[in-house]
Amino acid sequence: DVKVTQSSRYLVKRTGEKVFLECVQDMDHENMFWYRQDPGLGLRLIYFSYDVKMKEKGDIPEGYSVSREKKERFSLILESASTNQTSMYLCASSLWAQGGEQFFGPGTRLTVL
Amino acid sequence: RKEVEQDPGPFNVPEGATVAFNCTYSNSASQSFFWYRQDCRKEPKLLMSVYSSGNEDGRFTAQLNRASQYISLLIRDSKLSDSATYLCVVNAGNMLTFGGGTRLMVKP
Repeated sequence: DVKVTQSSRYLVKRTGEKVFLECVQDMDHENMFWYRQDPGLGLRLIYFSYDVKMKEKGDIPEGYSVSREKKERFSLILESASTNQTSMYLCASSLWAQGGEQFFGPGTRLTVL
Repeated sequence: RKEVEQDPGPFNVPEGATVAFNCTYSNSASQSFFWYRQDCRKEPKLLMSVYSSGNEDGRFTAQLNRASQYISLLIRDSKLSDSATYLCVVNAGNMLTFGGGTRLMVKP
């Protein structure tokens, strides 16, 4: 079974803090993705990566950065957390970028106070 | 206009009912189509891919109408365990675009 794990299920941070969300997949997938999910807005893509050290902006990259130093690990960084970044963050991986099934981690519920 | 639109519901149906969801997409260059299922407080999981010829998996039937740019999901003989949010997903290029989801509640 494909397994995608995320470092925390729940996280509470203060405005202005730097936040790291970690994601690890164990299936040697090329592609990894970070989404946020908000009520009424669905899943929105923040960033994705199709190879080590490669990254592409998604629909809402502002306020976020990412790092992919190893194939199995994709990190999402909030340089200075703000209250409007309170959300559910979901990481996913897939073998193929186009048309391939994406496997999701359990999500991290981030609250920024 | 959203790229992928779904009726958010909720659809409240009794056990055994047949229920259908539709989804419309705006990008005519879209190439791949999927339905994902998301249980409450859980991550989305692939339910089924949607092919041009239509496809069936047990009680679930998916249809694609490229001319009208819509996708449908039909669930027959609904079970309590079908209660979830169903996400319509469309691929064009490197990324998947998710609809907001349709919530289904199956009642005894």
